[in-house]
Order: sequence, then C-alpha cells, then structure tokens
Amino acid sequence: DVKVTQSSRYLVKRTGEKVFLECVQDMDHENMFWYRQDPGLGLRLIYFSYDVKMKEKGDIPEGYSVSREKKERFSLILESASTNQTSMYLCAAQGSFSGANVLTFGAGSRLTVL
Amino acid sequence: DQQVKQNSPSLSVQEGRISILNCDYTNSMFDYFLWYKKYPAEGPTFLISISSIKDKNEDGRFTVFLNKSAKHLSLHIVPSQPGDSAVYFCAARGYSGSARQLTFGSGTQLTVLP
Repeated sequence: DVKVTQSSRYLVKRTGEKVFLECVQDMDHENMFWYRQDPGLGLRLIYFSYDVKMKEKGDIPEGYSVSREKKERFSLILESASTNQTSMYLCAAQGSFSGANVLTFGAGSRLTVL
Repeated sequence: DQQVKQNSPSLSVQEGRISILNCDYTNSMFDYFLWYKKYPAEGPTFLISISSIKDKNEDGRFTVFLNKSAKHLSLHIVPSQPGDSAVYFCAARGYSGSARQLTFGSGTQLTVLP
C-alpha cells in the first residue's frame, strides 16, 4: 500500500507568515493532490501535480502555491497566511489515472492561523 | 455550485441495523463514483466504488447503488457496527482540463449506537 506522510500534524501560525506543508509518498506514484477539508464543505481541491515540476490548479488555488521538485514530495505553500486559511489540509497520492481513481490520503495537517 | 451533494450532515442508527447514506450529483459526465470513510485525526480511506455503467456494487457489508436517471447514489451498510462510526464522503470522477479529478461531497457523520 502507498503510504502518504504529512510531516506536520498540527501547526499554529500568525497572519502574514509564510507556511510550508510537506507531503511525501513512499511509492512511485505520478499524481499528487492537496485538498482542504472544512465543516459543511467537504474536501476541496487546491492544486494537483501529475509529474515532477508539473502542477495544475484545482477548485480553490487562490492564496496557495505548490512545489514538486521530486516525484515523492509535494509541498503546499501559503505565501502570506490569513485566518480564512485555518483548515485541515490533506495530501493524497495516486497511480496513473486508471480504474476508479482511488486516492491514498495522508493523516492531515491541521493549520490554525491567528 | 456543488456538483456533489450529501444533504444529511449526520445519521444515527442502532448497531445491527442498516445504515443508508445518500449522495446526489448534477454532472452527467461523471464516470466513477467512490465512497471514502474518515475517522477523526486520520485521512480519508477508500471504501467502495462504482462505475457509471453499473447500478450496484457489493463488498462484504457495504453495497453502493447508482441511479443514473435520478443522479443519485447510496451506500448501504448491513449490519452496522460501532466501528463504522465515521464521516463518509461521496466522491465523483470527472474531467477538469487535461486530468480526471475527484469532486467530493460535504460528508455525512454516521454514528452507530451500541
């Protein structure tokens, strides 16, 4: 099974700070995703990447950027954190687009912006 | 505009009875539907999926039904167990730009009472 590791489980940052959320997968999966989960809104896609140095915007990319310098690592960057970015952030990995598009998620990073 | 909707934020059932979780969608181009389960402080885990060309898929205690004409799917859990208590997300696969993506519903909190 693919394991997806999000190194920071809980973070507290101040408004305006730059925030890095790191995600690493231990299999040779091409596709990686960043979602945020908010009550009543479910999971919303921020960015995804289907190859090294490739990225595509999801449904809510504003205020975020991403970096994928190596296949196993996909980072989410908040250039200037704001309180409305307080949320649970979930990283996921997936092999080639085949079958049912099953994603394997990490345990999540809960970010609080004060 | 939410393309995938879970209109019941919560559901409580007695242990041993059937749990039925519902999901509606608006995009007729979705070609796969999936259910994920999420426990607190963990990432979502894949539960079961169904192709749009089928109307039923069964895996042990879990069965997913798809009604394409009504754009509705449901997850049946029989018999329900206390360990099934979790948030259940419905997801649908569609195309966005060059890639297939999953669109998630807002989730239903299932509580199975002993």
